[in-house]
Amino acid sequence: TQLLEQSPQFLSIQEGENLTVYCNSSSVFSSLQWYRQEPGEGPVLLVTVVTGGEVKKLKRLTFQFGDARKDSSLHITAAQPGDTGLYLCAGGKAGGGNKLTFGTGTQLKVEL
Amino acid sequence: GAGVSQSPSNKVTEKGKDVELRCDPISGHTALYWYRQSLGQGLEFLIYFQGNSAPDKSGLPSDRFSAERTGGSVSTLTIQRTQQEDSAVYLCASSSGLAIETQYFGPGTRLLVL
Repeated sequence: TQLLEQSPQFLSIQEGENLTVYCNSSSVFSSLQWYRQEPGEGPVLLVTVVTGGEVKKLKRLTFQFGDARKDSSLHITAAQPGDTGLYLCAGGKAGGGNKLTFGTGTQLKVEL
Repeated sequence: GAGVSQSPSNKVTEKGKDVELRCDPISGHTALYWYRQSLGQGLEFLIYFQGNSAPDKSGLPSDRFSAERTGGSVSTLTIQRTQQEDSAVYLCASSSGLAIETQYFGPGTRLLVL
């Protein structure tokens, strides 16, 4: 059972465009992480959010955790080819140790 | 080593054969995870080891899958009587074991069952 749905599944844009990726669930999570994965490699953590309504910025990337802690979004401003990759959200639950439930993934391609 | 390593990087096997996948976590990390990833998809949790506690095996898809972690370090994921639907990338991650921690992933083992 996939508890975290991401949209869109695929996104192909031109350099300089803005985009938003969504991560939605019917479950409440105590934390939400975003990872980026490049071909042939494992995912790499971008950010962790733990408070409902929390917004974090990482250069051109803005991450938001929903007020009810059931959803999250990732917004990229002025996308660059280096942003290309598979973006994964992952939710953690209190009492679950560090066990994560991963989202379905969003494959982003940024072209020149 | 500096990061999580996995071996082999690629494995091609015939249906019905057993395979063993190895993971070397970051030194000192008490938590170790195995995930499975189909092409371009999200990660499916398989099993989680935390220190000396009994592993969380809730994600193993069938009794053909098993894993062990010897000496609290290296882990082996074994798939018996492989099926074509077992073809995927198997990823290992480790973390310090604290809640809300970063999981550090290895590059994965690409398994193809013919």
